[in-house]
Amino acid sequence: DVKVTQSSRYLVKRTGEKVFLECVQDMDHENMFWYRQDPGLGLRLIYFSYDVKMKEKGDIPEGYSVSREKKERFSLILESASTNQTSMYLCASSSRVAKNIQYFGAGTRLSVL
Amino acid sequence: AQKVTQAQTEISVVEKEDVTLDCVYETRDTTYYLFWYKQPPSGELVFLIRRNSFDEQNEISGRYSWNFQKSTSSFNFTITASQVVDSAVYFCALRSNAGGTSYGKLTFGQGTILTVHP
Repeated sequence: DVKVTQSSRYLVKRTGEKVFLECVQDMDHENMFWYRQDPGLGLRLIYFSYDVKMKEKGDIPEGYSVSREKKERFSLILESASTNQTSMYLCASSSRVAKNIQYFGAGTRLSVL
Repeated sequence: AQKVTQAQTEISVVEKEDVTLDCVYETRDTTYYLFWYKQPPSGELVFLIRRNSFDEQNEISGRYSWNFQKSTSSFNFTITASQVVDSAVYFCALRSNAGGTSYGKLTFGQGTILTVHP
């Protein structure tokens, strides 16, 4: 089974803090994704990566950055957290050889106070 | 631009009722893929089905069935004889293969919250 692991289920941070959300997958997938999920808005793509050190902006990249130094790990960074970044963050991975089906982690619920 | 619309925000049924979740999509691409995911209270999205645009055959898997109609740009999901364990948020999603460089990006609908009461 594909396993996508997000480092924290719940996180509480203060406004202005630098926040790191970590995601690791164990299936050698080339593609990895970060979404945020808000009620009534579904999942919105923040950033994705199709290879090590490669990244592409999604639909709502403002206020976020990402890092992919190793194939299995994809980090989402909030340089200076703000209250409007309080949300559920979901990481996913996929591979062309696996029909590009995205497999998701359990999510990190981030609260910025 | 691609768009997925799940007009039903919340649905509430009693156990053993059948329930259909609607999904309407928009795309200009001729090759695309449609997905359904289930998100139980634990939070992790679980893949249910993938359908490509050239295959309009309906699919049945146990109590689940999917009706894909290109003429109406719809990919509806029906749960027969619903159970309490079906309570979850269900998402419909679309991926196009435009230019072969989509890298598997998905466009999600807003989600439908299904509550099945005992």
